[in-house]
Amino acid sequence: AQSVTQPDIHITVSEGASLELRCNYSYGATPYLFWYVQSPGQGLQLLLKYFSGDTLVQGIKGFEAEFKRSQSSFNLRKPSVHWSDAAEYFCAVGPPYGNKLVFGAGTILRVKS
Amino acid sequence: GAVVSQHPSRVICKSGTSVKIECRSLDFQATTMFWYRQFPKKSLMLMATSNEGSKATYEQGVEKDKFLINHASLTLSTLTVTSAHPEDSSFYICSARASGSSSYNEQFFGPGTRLTVL
Repeated sequence: AQSVTQPDIHITVSEGASLELRCNYSYGATPYLFWYVQSPGQGLQLLLKYFSGDTLVQGIKGFEAEFKRSQSSFNLRKPSVHWSDAAEYFCAVGPPYGNKLVFGAGTILRVKS
Repeated sequence: GAVVSQHPSRVICKSGTSVKIECRSLDFQATTMFWYRQFPKKSLMLMATSNEGSKATYEQGVEKDKFLINHASLTLSTLTVTSAHPEDSSFYICSARASGSSSYNEQFFGPGTRLTVL
């Protein structure tokens, strides 16, 4: 069965520090991978996605993620976190063909000044 | 571009009543819309996929008679929670996929509706 694991429920980082949010997936074939961000009271915004090709993908707001097939991981990174990055982050996986996305439980990011 | 709205943003209702939630794609046409439910400290769970002009496809375990979905136009889908009970209290989020989208599964999400059933 398809599943996504985000091991960290909460993460707190200092403003200006680097960030890595972990995502591991279980999937029977090459998945399509996504990272979304959700601010309180708002919908999900797509940060980046991986379909194929270069395993390091760049997204919006200075985020990047690296697909590692051998580790079934798709970790999200940002070199320098800003206070406005505080939000909840969701990793999601979907099949190459079809509509269904499976989401991880989310990681709440807190940024301390 | 690619804005999805939901109305209402919050609703409180009495047990046994029905509640309708609207999901609109404001600046694009959406052949397919999705309804998710998000529990506190939990992930989003896909409830159903609705395609314009046809019946919705429900995920396993979702009661189609309780959660009525209508996708009557390319910009509007509605979710009606019938005979709501406290256990239906949740955050409901819709998303829309642009018609003719060449980008796989790029779903645009609405801001969500917080339903509280007393």
